[in-house]
Amino acid sequence: SQKIEQNSEALNIQEGKTATLTCNYTNYSPAYLQWYRQDPGRGPVFLLLIRENEKEKRKERLKVTFDTTLKQSLFHITASQPADSATYLCARVTDKLIFGTGTRLQVFP
Amino acid sequence: EPEVTQTPSHQVTQMGQEVILRCVPISNHLYFYWYRQILGQKVEFLVSFYNNEISEKSEIFDDQFSVERPDGSNFTLKIRSTKLEDSAMYFCASSEEGRDNEKLFFGSGTQLSVL
Repeated sequence: SQKIEQNSEALNIQEGKTATLTCNYTNYSPAYLQWYRQDPGRGPVFLLLIRENEKEKRKERLKVTFDTTLKQSLFHITASQPADSATYLCARVTDKLIFGTGTRLQVFP
Repeated sequence: EPEVTQTPSHQVTQMGQEVILRCVPISNHLYFYWYRQILGQKVEFLVSFYNNEISEKSEIFDDQFSVERPDGSNFTLKIRSTKLEDSAMYFCASSEEGRDNEKLFFGSGTQLSVL
């Protein structure tokens, strides 16, 4: 079956460091992947979309890569801040948006 | 920025009762969705809706669930006879054209507790 998985349930890093989150997919080749942020008790908020023919996409301190050989997307937050603490979801698009399990990021001062 | 709004924010009901969760999607959006998230678990797709019809539904969306666009602004999810395992956060979402490369806008959710 088609799967999208985020390997790390939680990631703790120190303020100022770069956070790197991983999303892997199996048994299909998505044309797009999306990344969302979810705060506790809130709905997901869209951050970035990357196409299969794009190696990298940036938005301010955020960077997403897409490696179709490894079937993997990496999500980076540079110069991380405590306000970046949240759960980050990758999502595959077929005819509907399907989310991975999410990685809970905690940035401590 | 325009928002998807959901009411109520919390709903408590007795097992076996019917509940209706309400959503007002963004006004120029044409595609509407319901997702749910059981505490500590992933956000799961329930159903998508376009042009007054269900376009896709998951295996979770059984005969106990229904969706409706009763007027030009509201989009509702009805659970006919609630079960304990229906307790979850329910999110409504909308998108403009339903394209694969389009982002979804989510509401803040309705926390449903079935007792």
